[in-house]
Amino acid sequence: KQEVTQIPAALSVPEGENLVLNCSFTDSAIYNLQWFRQDPGKGLTSLLLIQSSQREQTSGRLNASLDKSSGRSTLYIAASQPGDSATYLCATLGPDRGSTLGRLYFGRGTQLTVWP
Amino acid sequence: KAGVTQTPRYLIKTRGQQVTLSCSPISGHRSVSWYQQTPGQGLQFLFEYFSETQRNKGNFPGRFSGRQFSNSRSEMNVSTLELGDSALYLCASSLDTGEAFFGQGTRLTVV
Repeated sequence: KQEVTQIPAALSVPEGENLVLNCSFTDSAIYNLQWFRQDPGKGLTSLLLIQSSQREQTSGRLNASLDKSSGRSTLYIAASQPGDSATYLCATLGPDRGSTLGRLYFGRGTQLTVWP
Repeated sequence: KAGVTQTPRYLIKTRGQQVTLSCSPISGHRSVSWYQQTPGQGLQFLFEYFSETQRNKGNFPGRFSGRQFSNSRSEMNVSTLELGDSALYLCASSLDTGEAFFGQGTRLTVV
């Protein structure tokens, strides 16, 4: 069964710092990996999706990389801002691909606080 | 375009009652999956539906059930509610690429 681990569990930094959040998974036979953001009491907002054939994706100040062979992904946040404060979750789609599209395996998240 | 819509947003129920939660996926998405989120267990997979068929089910008791309609809307039902069922219930819809989009969730409190 796929297990996803995120380190660190919590991170508190001053505004302007560049950050790296880590995600590792035990089974490399994934279909894709997604990074999400969750604000308290809210749903998940998709940040970046990396297909298994890709190595990285970028959106604005965010960059995510994927190394399937080592079972790792990183989310890089440049020039952090207080508005980035949230919990960041990574999730793999599969394995157990078959005909399944919907089952995601989640890490426990990294709770990020960016203070002014 | 409209996102994933979950109703109701908040719900308070008494132990022993049953509850039905609703999810309307993004137009064109045929896969709908459900997750339970609690502080102690994190996000746990409940089940996934595709074209009205349950394709995958997580490790939850039979009190948790769901269905999907021909318009891809989905409902999940929890019978004989227990205090431990208090959680944020999240629904996600997916494209064929597998990218998942989540709704805002339904916060269920069992008292």
